Amino acid sequence: EIVLTQSPASLSVSPGQRASLSCRASQSVSTFLAWYQQKPGQAPRLLIYDVSKRATGIPARFSGSGSGTDFTLTISSLEPEDFAVYFCQHRSNSWTFGQGTKVEVK
Amino acid sequence: EIQLLESGGGLVKPGGSLRLSCAASGFNFGDYIVNWIRQPPGKGLEWVSGMSGSGATSFYADSAKGRFTISRDNSKKTLYLHMSDLKVDDTAVYFCAKADRGLYFDHWGQGALVTVSS
Repeated sequence: EIVLTQSPASLSVSPGQRASLSCRASQSVSTFLAWYQQKPGQAPRLLIYDVSKRATGIPARFSGSGSGTDFTLTISSLEPEDFAVYFCQHRSNSWTFGQGTKVEVK
Repeated sequence: EIQLLESGGGLVKPGGSLRLSCAASGFNFGDYIVNWIRQPPGKGLEWVSGMSGSGATSFYADSAKGRFTISRDNSKKTLYLHMSDLKVDDTAVYFCAKADRGLYFDHWGQGALVTVSS
């Protein structure tokens, strides 16, 4: 089973600044990787799929990159509504999530 | 508009059983894998189980095998999760989620809280 490891566990960033979140897979996941955003008390929301494609309605400040085993979610300029927890996810034999990165206000 | 609405959560004693339901609308339900994903309080996401659109194939996480049973009624556009022999560690919010191309979860319900406690 593929294990996804996210880093850092938490990230303190000022509004307007850039945030880069990492997701590392225990073996290659090709291009089948997604990112989700979750705010307190809400269901997760799909942000990015197939490594770099933005889901419907997702602002351009969110971008995904990477290949093989190393992936990055970048938020180019943090808006107040972007402070949340972010998860990466892959499907192989089963569906797997990373443990999450919390983006907090600095 | 695609909607998924979970119901059936609640408080159950260890060793007890519970059935969750997920009512879907706004898409061709029988064309998609639909899944259960859970989140213990303050923790991350764990995929639990999924079922193919036809109902012919079911998928389970190791934590669910032998205790949980997924099923669906396409005529009612509803997904179910029957949970038995529940443990304290099964306490979580259980989300229903539609899988796009069987890979990613593009629509989620609001979740149903299951609390296992004596």
